[in-house]
Amino acid sequence: EAGVTQFPSHSVIEKGQTVTLRCDPISGHDNLYWYRRVMGKEIKFLLHFVKESKQDESGMPNNRFLAERTGGTYSTLKVQPAELEDSGVYFCASSQGGAPSAKLFFGSGTQLSVL
Amino acid sequence: QKEVEQDPGPLSVPEGAIVSLNCTYSNSAFQYFMWYRQYSRKGPELLMYTYSSGNKEDGRFTAQVDKSSKYISLFIRDSQPSDSATYLCAPRGYGQNFVFGPGTRLSVLP
Repeated sequence: EAGVTQFPSHSVIEKGQTVTLRCDPISGHDNLYWYRRVMGKEIKFLLHFVKESKQDESGMPNNRFLAERTGGTYSTLKVQPAELEDSGVYFCASSQGGAPSAKLFFGSGTQLSVL
Repeated sequence: QKEVEQDPGPLSVPEGAIVSLNCTYSNSAFQYFMWYRQYSRKGPELLMYTYSSGNKEDGRFTAQVDKSSKYISLFIRDSQPSDSATYLCAPRGYGQNFVFGPGTRLSVLP
């Protein structure tokens, strides 16, 4: 069974440009999460989809970030325009259920560098 | 005060040693306590899960939770070089999202 797939694995862009990250969850997983880790900090929650609906987007830092999950399958996270402080590793995770004990499966992340 | 704190390490031990990794937290609403292991350039993977206070053992790994002192521990027996990774504690309350600790880097030297 394929795991959670993220691409690109690395992205280097200049400040002010737009970047779109993609996540393909494990097939059949309705719950999809985005997290990020900026340099030297903890992994922080960004948002949670259940199917195509945003269940919780309380962690989104500002309106330069837009996440979508059309059709309830893959998800994209767009940053427009990118700022220096957006650099970090963006992780996607999926789970079959949304219970607190549900096991999250993480992708390998997208390393975003904004210059 | 951060919600979840861990000693960042790095912690270096010889192969075969018993490793103790610890985590403290401040939110008394946390009920679910996960330990994730993260290898370099990979995403975190769930290692252990404990609900409320108590111990849980899985092979060489034992997780302990003491809710009265808000203290979480992960013990690794007979540590192996393949255990070298960053260990993240991640508690969660019902209806809440995971809060990850900063992680402890462990190196097990052959």
